[in-house]
Amino acid sequence: SQTIHQWPATLVQPVGSPLSLECTVEGTSNPNLYWYRQAAGRGLQLLFYSVGIGQISSEVPQNLSASRPQDRQFILSSKKLLLSDSGFYLCAWRASGIDTQYFGPGTRLTVL
Amino acid sequence: GDSVTQMEGPVTLSEEAFLTINCTYTATGYPSLFWYVQYPGEGLQLLLKATKADDKGSNKGFEATYRKETTSFHLEKGSVQVSDSAVYFCALIRNAGGTSYGKLTFGQGTILTVHP
Repeated sequence: SQTIHQWPATLVQPVGSPLSLECTVEGTSNPNLYWYRQAAGRGLQLLFYSVGIGQISSEVPQNLSASRPQDRQFILSSKKLLLSDSGFYLCAWRASGIDTQYFGPGTRLTVL
Repeated sequence: GDSVTQMEGPVTLSEEAFLTINCTYTATGYPSLFWYVQYPGEGLQLLLKATKADDKGSNKGFEATYRKETTSFHLEKGSVQVSDSAVYFCALIRNAGGTSYGKLTFGQGTILTVHP
């Protein structure tokens, strides 16, 4: 069966510091991968998606970037965090040709 | 563009009460429809889905029917439990399959609290 992991689970970072969040998927090959941000525990905003290694599409311009160095690894980064980057970050995967996305456990980021 | 509108809530019920959370959508073509549930501090879990008109998705006592004529996908449960307390998200995906990246469009979420 497929599983999706995210780490760290929680993170507290000062403004201006770098960020690296990791997402990995097991039990599938060539998944479509997604990064979402959830603010105030409610709506989800799609940040990035990837259909393959090295292929990244950005949904909104912002202080964040994403990379996919391996087939089942998706990384969310920032060079300098802003207060507004605080939130709950969710990674999701979808098998190619299937309509359902499956979500990871999330990372709670607090920028102080 | 695509959009999903769901009951704002919060919804507060007593245990064993009947639950309805309304969801309507706007999309071209024939989207797939989903309900996801998020328990406190956790990621989203797929609760149920329906892929075509008149399909009924069901899971854990929850049901939702894909109504194309009213563009709705209302979530129902006959008897809620305290453990059902969570945030519920309605969502759709258009252009599923093929080379599409499968972008999900979410509603804003509805907070459900069930008291003993």
